[in-house]
Amino acid sequence: EPEVTQTPSHQVTQMGQEVILRCVPISNHLYFYWYRQILGQKVEFLVSFYNNEISEKSEIFDDQFSVERPDGSNFTLKIRSTKLEDSAMYFCASSADRERAFFGQGTRLTVV
Amino acid sequence: RKEVEQDPGPFNVPEGATVAFNCTYSNSASQSFFWYRQDCRKEPKLLMSVYSSGNEDGRFTAQLNRASQYISLLIRDSKLSDSATYLCVVLWNYGQNFVFGPGTRLSVLP
Repeated sequence: EPEVTQTPSHQVTQMGQEVILRCVPISNHLYFYWYRQILGQKVEFLVSFYNNEISEKSEIFDDQFSVERPDGSNFTLKIRSTKLEDSAMYFCASSADRERAFFGQGTRLTVV
Repeated sequence: RKEVEQDPGPFNVPEGATVAFNCTYSNSASQSFFWYRQDCRKEPKLLMSVYSSGNEDGRFTAQLNRASQYISLLIRDSKLSDSATYLCVVLWNYGQNFVFGPGTRLSVLP
């Protein structure tokens, strides 16, 4: 069964450093999303992406964040100058029909 | 303000019990509705879509009341493996954004 894959599964970084979280969406999907979940809190929307551009972004997704689809398979989330409060689980999701979204296993980001 | 609210839980039920979860949403223009389950420290996994006429998948039944902006999930004959957090998810703005409720944790006890 096709699935969304994310790497790395766990990333530890020092405050102020840049991180890139990687995602390979399901191959025939066209709509891509990043979400985050701070431990013990709800899943929060960050950004949606379609046709090589951002469709919508939340207020969390400020200038510190950027997304890119550098080739036909990868979808990345870059976080510049990480802060302690960026520590969370980051989930990538993809959808074929903008109806049902399938999530990757997540990257646990720990900022120290 | 976009909001999805759920029963706060947790729900602790014995095996074989029937349990119901409730969810309300604030945006009347919402177009699609889902239940996801999330195991501890894992990704959300799609459990079922929710259709206006109500729908059933084995032991799981979902209902939608658009007038009341209310969604429900009923689990019959609960199993130990049903223990998880159940997330109500609403799609708005024509597929730009899935909005998650805070989740309701279920523990099925032997």
